Amino acid sequence: GQSLEQPSEVTAVEGAIVQINCTYQTSGFYGLSWYQQHDGGAPTFLSYNALDGLEETGRFSSFLSRSDSYGYLLLQELQMKDSASYFCAPSMGNTDKLIFGTGTRLQVFP
Amino acid sequence: DSGVTQTPKHLITATGQRVTLRCSPRSGDLSVYWYQQSLDQGLQFLIQYYNGEERAKGNILERFSAQQFPDLHSELNLSSLELGDSALYFCASSGGPTGELFFGEGSRLTVL
Repeated sequence: GQSLEQPSEVTAVEGAIVQINCTYQTSGFYGLSWYQQHDGGAPTFLSYNALDGLEETGRFSSFLSRSDSYGYLLLQELQMKDSASYFCAPSMGNTDKLIFGTGTRLQVFP
Repeated sequence: DSGVTQTPKHLITATGQRVTLRCSPRSGDLSVYWYQQSLDQGLQFLIQYYNGEERAKGNILERFSAQQFPDLHSELNLSSLELGDSALYFCASSGGPTGELFFGEGSRLTVL
């Protein structure tokens, strides 16, 4: 079967660092993506990990451990505009489809 | 702008009715995906098409159907609508297995 776990909510203050964890169980795992979605908006792509290790893109980094079926998104130097929902989404290579969970709602306070 | 176009943006209809949601993918993208997002819920995968063929199916109800046309645009048909079908329906497209989907702005369906 398939399962996906992320914390439902995380809060932090401006300038802080936040880590959003994701554990997954899927068949035919190919890679792990992260998406950001602001209220009322469309999900937007943040990062993708196909291999183990850390990928850095500006203030955001994403990590994957395939053997542990685990990944995380690290957000540094938090800004108010980072308040949004964040989704991890494992992909199944044979179909390229992404499975999203209920996401993690991040609230950044001044 | 993701390059993915969805119409209509908003739709209000009554229970028992049928609606069609339309999606135009980014130029050159062969894969189209449909997702449903209910209030405070995650994105539920419905169905994927690749170059006109159904490629993967998720938790799509039998009352729902979709297709992808030769020009690669896609339509999601929702019939015998129920109150619980009220949701934001997203279409996304991709050009390959990069983990990156480009989402449209969504079609907000309200069933009264």
